[in-house]
Amino acid sequence: EIVLTQSPGTLSLSPGERATLSCRASQSVSSTYLAWYQQKPGQAPRLLIYGASSRATGIPDRFSGSGSGTDFTLTISRLEPEDFAVYYCQQYANSPQTFGQGTKVEIK
Amino acid sequence: EVQLVQSGAEVKKPGESLKISCKGSGYSFSNYWIAWVRQMPGKGLEWMGIIYPSDSDTTYNPSFQGQVTISADKSISTAYLQWINLKASDTAIYYCARSGGLPFDYWGQGTLVTVSS
Repeated sequence: EIVLTQSPGTLSLSPGERATLSCRASQSVSSTYLAWYQQKPGQAPRLLIYGASSRATGIPDRFSGSGSGTDFTLTISRLEPEDFAVYYCQQYANSPQTFGQGTKVEIK
Repeated sequence: EVQLVQSGAEVKKPGESLKISCKGSGYSFSNYWIAWVRQMPGKGLEWMGIIYPSDSDTTYNPSFQGQVTISADKSISTAYLQWINLKASDTAIYYCARSGGLPFDYWGQGTLVTVSS
């Protein structure tokens, strides 16, 4: 099973700042099959990024994804109040599909 | 509009059985995979397994194999997650999610399952 390790566990930032979230895989993942989700309290996750760098429908362009192999990054260029949430990466290349443990982006 | 609507919250005792549901609408249900994802209290997301309703082709996460059963009835656009012998450790929110050309682009609202004596 591919293990995804996200860092940091918690990111304390202010609105308007840039957020950089990391997702490292235990073995190489085709970038075609790496996704990022946002989850707010009491809500289901929402797909942000698929194929490592493609934004899902309706996702603002302040969200961007990059990376390849074992290292992937989600960047939020300027944090808006609604962006404070937990973010998960997911690989869907191999079964079982796996998620990272999450990064919480909190207001500083 | 694509929607996945899950059945309501359940409170069960250890050893009881349970079947929760996920009804799809607004798209061709048979032609998209439906996955089940567990989220234990305060924890992250765990992929349990996935089913293709058209032919009921199913793959389980080995961690959940034998513990749950995933099924689907394409005639009523509904997928199911079933337990025969619930444990307290099954207490969690369970989400269904659709997967086609993209990963999980639509999610159900979640079903809270509480197992307590």
